[in-house]
Amino acid sequence: GAGVSQSPSNKVTEKGKDVELRCDPISGHTALYWYRQSLGQGLEFLIYFQGNSAPDKSGLPSDRFSAERTGGSVSTLTIQRTQQEDSAVYLCASSLASGWGTRGTGELFFGEGSRLTVL
Amino acid sequence: GQSLEQPSEVTAVEGAIVQINCTYQTSGFYGLSWYQQHDGGAPTFLSYNGLDGLEETGRFSSFLSRSDSYGYLLLQELQMKDSASYFCAGGSGANNLFFGTGTRLTVIP
Repeated sequence: GAGVSQSPSNKVTEKGKDVELRCDPISGHTALYWYRQSLGQGLEFLIYFQGNSAPDKSGLPSDRFSAERTGGSVSTLTIQRTQQEDSAVYLCASSLASGWGTRGTGELFFGEGSRLTVL
Repeated sequence: GQSLEQPSEVTAVEGAIVQINCTYQTSGFYGLSWYQQHDGGAPTFLSYNGLDGLEETGRFSSFLSRSDSYGYLLLQELQMKDSASYFCAGGSGANNLFFGTGTRLTVIP
């Protein structure tokens, strides 16, 4: 597609339910990132993919959070047994970068985000 | 760890110049990027500094000093549409990108 696509755009769920958030990156982008943004706050790094592998999972808040990427394209972020503190906008971004030592401008292209509300 | 600090809020007058600072502590630092985010929108890329010095892109300029672990974004000829949040972001050797705390810019008439 022309840009990064995320779905659903809005998700309301009950505490304890599992949710899946999907990200379709820009075609050909090898790097994919997930961030979380609470209202009025900064972007919290969650996980980074290079191709299908995730060299850095250090930002995942707990073992309830997991992510995968298949075919070097679509990624899914799964939150199990959701809690109210998981409520936030989950942003996905993609980049052509294959490594910071070789990439050009450090430009990430962001999707519009998935707003998660846990009741 | 990774840490990028910015002032939380800045207010400036339309037509003026404003500077948003960013100080960082990151391991394996490669460069500093800046992003703009309007309320309810996605962050969009503004500029990148891989080397020390000033980069200019239209009304926006960005500066980096690696020896001082410091950078700034300079916005000239401010317009009302520039009211937004601005984030610096640092790339690390682990190929990920960490964002600063963000600065909310309010442009007043």
